[in-house]
Amino acid sequence: QQPVQSPQAVILREGEDAVINCSSSKALYSVHWYRQKHGEAPVFLMILLKGGEQKGHEKISASFNEKKQQSSLYLTASQLSYSGTYFCGTELNFGNEKLTFGTGTRLTIIP
Amino acid sequence: EPEVTQTPSHQVTQMGQEVILRCVPISNHLYFYWYRQILGQKVEFLVSFYNNEISEKSEIFDDQFSVERPDGSNFTLKIRSTKLEDSAMYFCASRADRISYEQYFGPGTRLTVT
Repeated sequence: QQPVQSPQAVILREGEDAVINCSSSKALYSVHWYRQKHGEAPVFLMILLKGGEQKGHEKISASFNEKKQQSSLYLTASQLSYSGTYFCGTELNFGNEKLTFGTGTRLTIIP
Repeated sequence: EPEVTQTPSHQVTQMGQEVILRCVPISNHLYFYWYRQILGQKVEFLVSFYNNEISEKSEIFDDQFSVERPDGSNFTLKIRSTKLEDSAMYFCASRADRISYEQYFGPGTRLTVT
């Protein structure tokens, strides 16, 4: 069963913050976050392993709430380059080898 | 910087024809994947491949699909008898090893079945 992402789309002005959520009905081993720009391949942003750790990548960070089986991606002081579709990919077990992607969140940053 | 490459970038084929999509993963990577993305939709897992065998496959990956690593560099996806609904972007990805989580995606092959 695929993870559910929210919101489906968001429009921000440059410099504003955004939060993208990814929820699963199943217990997860990991959550992967990818960004895909129009017509391009997905690009890996970061991975969250079960344990509730938070990670950061420049002004993009993420957390994983193991109790809720939910991961959130935080984009602070958004830049034009952040525009794209963000996908979370979930993995049920270590070595499971199957990444199930959510439906994506389209982020548009306007000047 | 090493990257995954895919050929062709665009393939047009008639329904019922066989197609082979080719990928060259990053050198020394051990895990290989195929995904597809129907226009405007999410990325869907097809198959993972390690140590010259399939390690996991999705329900999409039926008998019409096969993968092969014919030599030390190429990784191919074959669709035996294409259907209209096979039209999609097909991405190949590779991963370095068991403890490295990042999957590096290729630029994709757009398959159009007419």
